[in-house]
This record gives sequence, structure tokens and C-alpha cells, in this order.
Amino acid sequence: DIQMTQSPSSLSASIGDRVTITCRASQNINTYLNWYQQKPGEAPKLLIYTASTLQSGVPSRFSGSGSGTDFTLTISSLQSEDFATYYCQQSYYTPRGFGQGTKVDVK
Amino acid sequence: EVNLLESGGGSIQPGGSLRLSCAASGFPFSYYAMTWVRQAPGKGLEWVSVINAFGTRTYYADSVGGRFTISRDNSRNTLYLQMNNLRAEDTATYYCVRDHYDSGTRSGDYFEHWGQGALVTVSS
Repeated sequence: DIQMTQSPSSLSASIGDRVTITCRASQNINTYLNWYQQKPGEAPKLLIYTASTLQSGVPSRFSGSGSGTDFTLTISSLQSEDFATYYCQQSYYTPRGFGQGTKVDVK
Repeated sequence: EVNLLESGGGSIQPGGSLRLSCAASGFPFSYYAMTWVRQAPGKGLEWVSVINAFGTRTYYADSVGGRFTISRDNSRNTLYLQMNNLRAEDTATYYCVRDHYDSGTRSGDYFEHWGQGALVTVSS
């Protein structure tokens, strides 16, 4: 199975900060990488699919990049509603493994 | 509007069985593969199982293979997860998820729609 590793596991940031989360796959997954946001008590929400395509309705401050094994989720200017946990997920192979998550909290 | 409503969660002793259901509405259910994803308390997301749109192909995580069975009834717009020989480590919120495609294994698939989850607690 493909292993997905996110870094960091957590980070503290302030409103307006630029935030970058990385995700590494144990094998080449082309651009088949999705990003989800989850807030406490809620189901995950799709942010980005196929590495860089923004899901409809997601603010443009979110962006994704990468291919092969290394991927990045960037929040260009952190807003209060962005404090949450973020997960990457590969969709190249089955099982569709997730990263362990990155929690973004208030600095 | 897509709606996925899980039911059937609860508390069960180790070794017991439970069946989760997911009632789907707002989209042509028989066109889409469906997936179960779980999340242990305070932990990350774990992909559990997928079934294709026709119900003819299924896949499982190694952690549940041989104990869990995914199925669907397209006439009732309902997805199921039969969980047998439950263990403490199966304690989690189980999410019903709609795939973007019909096969369940197509590269580039993604999860746009999630249910609110059903909590399963396995404890003596």
C-alpha cells in the first residue's frame, strides 16, 4: 500500500499568515492527490483534487501543487475559519490512503 | 442536494456484529461508487472499503478484510457495511462517502460528499 506522510503534524499561525503543508507519497502517484479540511465535530470537506484543482466554492486563498511524490497545500492568507485539520489523500491506487493530518491552530 | 445519512451505529461488545446503513438522496445513486471512511476518536481518517456503482466489485483495507462486508441496494438507494468480529480498534465514527466516479478504483477519484457519520463503540 502507498504510505502518505504529511508535515508538519501541527503548526501554529496567525491571521494573515501564509501557511504551507506538505504531503509525501511513498510511490509515484502522478497528480492523483486530494486535500481535505476537517473542523471538530464535522465531516471532512474536499478542498482540492488532482493536486491543484480547486473544488467549487472553495476560496482562492487555497492552492495545491506538486506531482510524483511531493505535494503542497498553501493557504495564502490564513483566515479565522481556516483553523482546522488538513488531510491529503492519494487516489492513484486502492486502498485510497490518507496522510495522518496537519492541525492548524492559533499562534 | 446530495444527502447521505448513516444509521446503525452504537455500542457493541468485542466479537459482536453491527450493520451500518447509509441512505442516499439527491443524486442517481446507481451511477456512483460508494466508500466507507472511518475516524477513531482523536485520530486521523482511515479508508475502509469501496463498492462500485453496480455492486459487483468491492475492496477493503487490510485492517477490516475478512470481517467487514460492503454492499448496496440500488433499488433502495442504500449503502451497507456489515461489521463482524468487532474489535476495540474498530471504535470510530464511520462516514459514508460518495465517489466522483462509478468504478471505485479509477485514478483521480475524489470525495465531494460525506455523511455526518455514525459512531461505533466496541467495548466490554
